[in-house]
Amino acid sequence: GNSVTQMEGPVTLSEEAFLTINCTYTATGYPSLFWYVQYPGEGLQLLLKATKADDKGSNKGFEATYRKETTSFHLEKGSVQVSDSAVYFCALKASGTSYGKLTFGQGTILTVHP
Amino acid sequence: DGGITQSPKYLFRKEGQNVTLSCEQNLNHDAMYWYRQDPGQGLRLIYYSQIVNDFQKGDIAEGYSVSREKKESFPLTVTSAQKNPTAFYLCASSIREDRSYEQYFGPGTRLTVT
Repeated sequence: GNSVTQMEGPVTLSEEAFLTINCTYTATGYPSLFWYVQYPGEGLQLLLKATKADDKGSNKGFEATYRKETTSFHLEKGSVQVSDSAVYFCALKASGTSYGKLTFGQGTILTVHP
Repeated sequence: DGGITQSPKYLFRKEGQNVTLSCEQNLNHDAMYWYRQDPGQGLRLIYYSQIVNDFQKGDIAEGYSVSREKKESFPLTVTSAQKNPTAFYLCASSIREDRSYEQYFGPGTRLTVT
């Protein structure tokens, strides 16, 4: 079946540090890949997405590149801020599946200290 | 402002009681979803609906029921048959024809059953 595996957290960084959150997936065909962010006490917001191999999604300084050869979609940011503290979810929508049915990773908690 | 409303934010119930969680959207989206979020487990799909008067079971539908009588509304009932109902419940919606399959999430309802 389809699955998403994220690096275990929590991740704790100082402000302006470089961030990487690893995400790998298992799926047949060519899935679409997403990163969602959840701020404390809130629902999820789409952070970025990529729908085909070698696409790079980017938003708010975050980037992720769809790597078909390594089945990965790692999230990166060059300089994190305290306001980036949140839970980050990697997700996929497998090709050929029902509308919008997403498979999520377990989430990675990020805490950024001043 | 367009968006998804979930109410209430916090809900407390005694074991053995059914409880209904509300989800309303004014985004004119065809598809709607219910997820359950538990610590360290990411999101798991309970039910989804692609169109009014039609819905499908997700990965963990046992002990839950839904209805979709109106495009804007997709209430979830947590029945007494659900063995471990305490969780954070998230409702989402998407444009049915959107190739990117981006889902928009509500703020969530935290249900505690004692």
